[in-house]
Amino acid sequence: SQQGEEDPQALSIQEGENATMNCSYKTSINNLQWYRQNSGRGLVHLILIRSNEREKHSGRLRVTLDTSKKSSSLLITASRAADTASYFCATDAIGANSKLTFGKGITLSVRP
Amino acid sequence: GAVVSQHPSWVICKSGTSVKIECRSLDFQATTMFWYRQFPKQSLMLMATSNEGSKATYEQGVEKDKFLINHASLTLSTLTVTSAHPEDSSFYICSARRGGGYNEQFFGPGTRLTVL
Repeated sequence: SQQGEEDPQALSIQEGENATMNCSYKTSINNLQWYRQNSGRGLVHLILIRSNEREKHSGRLRVTLDTSKKSSSLLITASRAADTASYFCATDAIGANSKLTFGKGITLSVRP
Repeated sequence: GAVVSQHPSWVICKSGTSVKIECRSLDFQATTMFWYRQFPKQSLMLMATSNEGSKATYEQGVEKDKFLINHASLTLSTLTVTSAHPEDSSFYICSARRGGGYNEQFFGPGTRLTVL
């Protein structure tokens, strides 16, 4: 069953703009991870945020986690055309033995 | 570091044949490997979890006799789709998780299976 639910389902922005994607989940987690997938390719791990962390940065990426609201956001700043991809959040739920549950994904299009 | 490879990247086979897909962690030892299936424009669905030297744990609804998983070493897991049918056509992705308290899963590039 899918736990993570991202929104919006699709996002189209101009190059240089920021992109914000949200993810909500249902159960208590050990950590939440964000992945990127280019069309027809495997997943690239972007960032992991633990349940006791509230914010994490990696280059142009900023991830926040609000465990009280069971939600996370991924911000990509100064977007580039190469950021065009599908983005998934995945939760490592407590008691799930490190199995990740993926959301449906967000399709991001960055127009040059 | 943390590279996972899959082979083959794509395969076309006739209905009724069996297909083996390999997943290797190239620069780390993977205590656990996972196999996922992904339909076009959909999310990843976990099929099974395999730990080195033990039997795989299959998710509900996944036929273990059809999807044979062997985790022979800390760097290799294989998925064999037996007696493949057109409905088995899909994108199969493996991931590997390092031991030692690391939680990140590193994904292979995927294998596109088309059954004619």
